[in-house]
Amino acid sequence: AQSVTQLDSQVPVFEEAPVELRCNYSSSVSVYLFWYVQYPNQGLQLLLKYLSGSTLVESINGFEAEFNKSQTSFHLRKPSVHISDTAEYFCAVSDKRDTGGFKTIFGAGTRLFVKA
Amino acid sequence: DGGITQSPKYLFRKEGQNVTLSCEQNLNHDAMYWYRQDPGQGLRLIYYSQIVNDFQKGDIAEGYSVSREKKESFPLTVTSAQKNPTAFYLCASNHWKTPYEQYFGPGTRLTVT
Repeated sequence: AQSVTQLDSQVPVFEEAPVELRCNYSSSVSVYLFWYVQYPNQGLQLLLKYLSGSTLVESINGFEAEFNKSQTSFHLRKPSVHISDTAEYFCAVSDKRDTGGFKTIFGAGTRLFVKA
Repeated sequence: DGGITQSPKYLFRKEGQNVTLSCEQNLNHDAMYWYRQDPGQGLRLIYYSQIVNDFQKGDIAEGYSVSREKKESFPLTVTSAQKNPTAFYLCASNHWKTPYEQYFGPGTRLTVT
């Protein structure tokens, strides 16, 4: 069965420093990969996604993630974080169900805390 | 504006009572999902529905029930059989053209005492 591992439960970082949130998934023939962000007591918002093509994907607010098939990883990076980036980040993998449709598996989440 | 609404935002119930959480979407999405979120555990799938009048159990369906009488609505009932119902509940949906990508509602925080 598919699984997603987020290697860090919490990542504290100073404002304007770079950050990397790590995500590994179990191997599959083809998967779709996502990062979602969740602010306190809110739903999840899609941050970026990898469906096919270029292995480096970017979001509008400066985050990027790189799909690495050989290492089955999809790490999220930002070169300079802001206080407003403080949130919980979820890595997710979708692949096809045997019975039709897609199943999405979420990692346990990484809480990013940006300090002034 | 299109989106997913969940109501209420906060819900308090006494142990032994059934409670129904609302989820409505006006995105014309076909599939809808219910997830449960507990601290440090990510999201776990309770039930999902790919078409009206049909739904499937997810990984943690025990103690929950759903209905899908309309495309726009997918209410979740937390029954008294659910042993640990206090959690944050998230509803999601997707379009048949992008079945791998889900859109989420704002969530309902249920507290049972």
